[in-house]
Amino acid sequence: GDSVTQMEGPVTLSEEAFLTINCTYTATGYPSLFWYVQYPGEGLQLLLKATKADDKGSNKGFEATYRKETTSFHLEKGSVQVSDSAVYFCALSNTGNQFYFGTGTSLTVIP
Amino acid sequence: DVKVTQSSRYLVKRTGEKVFLECVQDMDHENMFWYRQDPGLGLRLIYFSYDVKMKEKGDIPEGYSVSREKKERFSLILESASTNQTSMYLCASSPVQGVGGYTFGSGTRLTVV
Repeated sequence: GDSVTQMEGPVTLSEEAFLTINCTYTATGYPSLFWYVQYPGEGLQLLLKATKADDKGSNKGFEATYRKETTSFHLEKGSVQVSDSAVYFCALSNTGNQFYFGTGTSLTVIP
Repeated sequence: DVKVTQSSRYLVKRTGEKVFLECVQDMDHENMFWYRQDPGLGLRLIYFSYDVKMKEKGDIPEGYSVSREKKERFSLILESASTNQTSMYLCASSPVQGVGGYTFGSGTRLTVV
């Protein structure tokens, strides 16, 4: 079945460091891929998405490229801020009706 | 601003109580979902619904039921709460074939004592 695997956390970085959170997927067909972010005490918010191979999703300085050849959708940011501290979830949807989430990666950015 | 609203942010209930968690969306979405979130386990799908009066079991439906009498409202019911149901519960909605992704509520943190 469809599934998502993302790197385990927690991840701790200093402010302005480069961030990569790895995500790989298993799916039949051509799924859409997503990154969600959960700030402390809140629900999940859509951060970015890509709907076909080689698409790059971007938002708030975060980027991820849909790589079909490596079945990956790694999240990157060039310079993290304290306000980026959150839990990040990779997700896929094959039909648009049901989503499969990774287990989440906790990021803490220290000043 | 479009919204998914969960009726309570925090709930404390006693073992054996019947618990209702309410979720309302104002986006006219067809699909609605209930997840629970636990440390190290990520999000696990409890139940979902693609239409009024329709429901489907997710990955962990045991101990739960749902109700969808109106399109905008999807209720999660714990028939007899147990301590292992202490968790964060998240409601989400999406349009049919929603490639735009889910919209989540803020979550309800339920503690069963």
